[in-house]
Amino acid sequence: NAGVTQTPKFRVLKTGQSMTLLCAQDMNHEYMYWYRQDPGMGLRLIHYSVGEGTTAKGEVPDGYNVSRLKKQNFLLGLESAAPSQTSVYFCASSYPLPGQGNTGELFFGEGSRLTVL
Amino acid sequence: AQRVTQPEKLLSVFKGAPVELKCNYSYSGSPELFWYVQYSRQRLQLLLRHISRESIKGFTADLNKGETSFHLKKPFAQEEDSAMYYCALRPGTYKYIFGTGTRLKVLA
Repeated sequence: NAGVTQTPKFRVLKTGQSMTLLCAQDMNHEYMYWYRQDPGMGLRLIHYSVGEGTTAKGEVPDGYNVSRLKKQNFLLGLESAAPSQTSVYFCASSYPLPGQGNTGELFFGEGSRLTVL
Repeated sequence: AQRVTQPEKLLSVFKGAPVELKCNYSYSGSPELFWYVQYSRQRLQLLLRHISRESIKGFTADLNKGETSFHLKKPFAQEEDSAMYYCALRPGTYKYIFGTGTRLKVLA
């Protein structure tokens, strides 16, 4: 049981390049999230998904796109990377609601450190 | 507005001293609150949640609705407690709001 797995763990991009971060979870969770973590700003939600085939914008969605074609995978794309997107990206997943055998806990991946030059 | 405030970016204490990490929230409904911890080079993980009223690794947190606070406390800090701590509010079924985090350094 791997939990939440993110790939790649490290990446360096040049401004204008594109890339995709992959998040996979094996816990059959409905909800998945992408956060970015920046010093002094905590965790900010980029996009999230409440189920296969659905996505929604979070707090800081600009410059990112996402897709949830399969329940277990949530992809985060950067179409044209900018230095402001240098950050550590965390994927997370959870069950929908307490009372369905869950605690409302978010399960996180190990993070992906992205540097845009 | 729904908001979580952690006023301290860095908190340094000596080993064996009491620790209190502050968290205040802004939410008009019945809050569901969590503390997450991130040890060096590890993923974020749940430390505790208010509904369980449990003590994990010696930490406790009490929800004070009157003061809209959910401070994290430990009577005697250990060096292994050094980490980044995030307070989080879950105001709905899918939404989580995190504070900016407090880095705890426990000095020998």
